[in-house]
Amino acid sequence: EAQVTQNPRYLITVTGKKLTVTCSQNMNHEYMSWYRQDPGLGLRQIYYSMNVEVTDKGDVPEGYKVSRKEKRNFPLILESPSPNQTSLYFCASSYRQGGGYTFGSGTRLTVV
Amino acid sequence: KQEVTQIPAALSVPEGENLVLNCSFTDSAIYNLQWFRQDPGKGLTSLLLIQSSQREQTSGRLNASLDKSSGRSTLYIAASQPGDSATYLCAVNTGGFKTIFGAGTRLFVKA
Repeated sequence: EAQVTQNPRYLITVTGKKLTVTCSQNMNHEYMSWYRQDPGLGLRQIYYSMNVEVTDKGDVPEGYKVSRKEKRNFPLILESPSPNQTSLYFCASSYRQGGGYTFGSGTRLTVV
Repeated sequence: KQEVTQIPAALSVPEGENLVLNCSFTDSAIYNLQWFRQDPGKGLTSLLLIQSSQREQTSGRLNASLDKSSGRSTLYIAASQPGDSATYLCAVNTGGFKTIFGAGTRLFVKA
């Protein structure tokens, strides 16, 4: 089944403890992206990647890192999480620029 | 800067009613527009994708139209059912690698 898989689905962590949210797609998509969703603010793009080793900032990149060493994987890294990063995170992929997105099921992160 | 607005923010209708959800965008130079459905606490499910050269797309009881010149898209849902209750999001791709999402319309279909 064609899908985008995120892990974990739920995560509670403490301020300052580094964490990684994984994202993997099995559709050989070139383009991948991370979003966060907050009440009243909608979905906002954090980072995106056009292909392996090619990434760029979205609208809210502060406090996040990404890497794209393999085509299928696009992990989101929070080096020092803070409570304002408590949010619902989504990974998405597309076979090409403007090709329409497939979204993962989301990761609900709580930073205390 | 592209802005995407969805009206209404919430909508409650009785089962069986036909309904229209609206999405407007400020810059008509778009690459495509995509409609999604999101159930509470869940991911986004793609419903319809309209390329900039298209006027509409249909899937089952859903029909989405696109009018770039007026900066508008509508999602038409025929014969609504309680299972249609969800939040509907539209997303505009401007041709770069950024996609702008509307805040969504929360739909509740009463049995």
